[in-house]
Amino acid sequence: AQSVAQPEDQVNVAEGNPLTVKCTYSVSGNPYLFWYVQYPNRGLQFLLKYITGDNLVKGSYGFEAEFNKSQTSFHLKKPSALVSDSALYFCAVRLRNSGNTPLVFGKGTRLSVIA
Amino acid sequence: EPEVTQTPSHQVTQMGQEVILRCVPISNHLYFYWYRQILGQKVEFLVSFYNNEISEKSEIFDDQFSVERPDGSNFTLKIRSTKLEDSAMYFCASSARGEYGNQPQHFGDGTRLSIL
Repeated sequence: AQSVAQPEDQVNVAEGNPLTVKCTYSVSGNPYLFWYVQYPNRGLQFLLKYITGDNLVKGSYGFEAEFNKSQTSFHLKKPSALVSDSALYFCAVRLRNSGNTPLVFGKGTRLSVIA
Repeated sequence: EPEVTQTPSHQVTQMGQEVILRCVPISNHLYFYWYRQILGQKVEFLVSFYNNEISEKSEIFDDQFSVERPDGSNFTLKIRSTKLEDSAMYFCASSARGEYGNQPQHFGDGTRLSIL
């Protein structure tokens, strides 16, 4: 069975400082990994994905994430946080296969960027 | 940029009544999904749909739930006899065909279902 852990319910960071939102996963096969962001009263918006290749993937709005197979982690990072980055962030995993397997989400981490 | 659209944005229904949630996936996508998010909890998978049939469903998706693609554009979720615990935000998602499922799922803004 697949699972995702986001150990922090809340992350606070000052505007302009780097941010990290942590994610670890557990899956029996090769995973695809995703980050989504949710703004109030909106759906989940795709940020970035890891499929294969370079462990550092870049996504929307200056976000990036680093895949670490030995630590089974996929932490989301941004070098300089903006107040507008304040939102709920979800890490998700799905198994690599030929179909349309569902995403398994973590419980989410609320990011607050303080001016 | 194409979007997944969901209607209504908010649905209030009496317990025991039937409700239909509607979604228009992105037009060239082939895979469709429903997820739900109970307030303050994680997003949970309900069902996936491909080639006019259910591909996979979770334990939540019991006999009270059904999905349908009645025409070339809409994808619906029906709850036959709603219960209080069905109150949640329901998200529709769609994805394109990709190699071994590597395409991201794109989500609508959700329908907030409130059961009274």
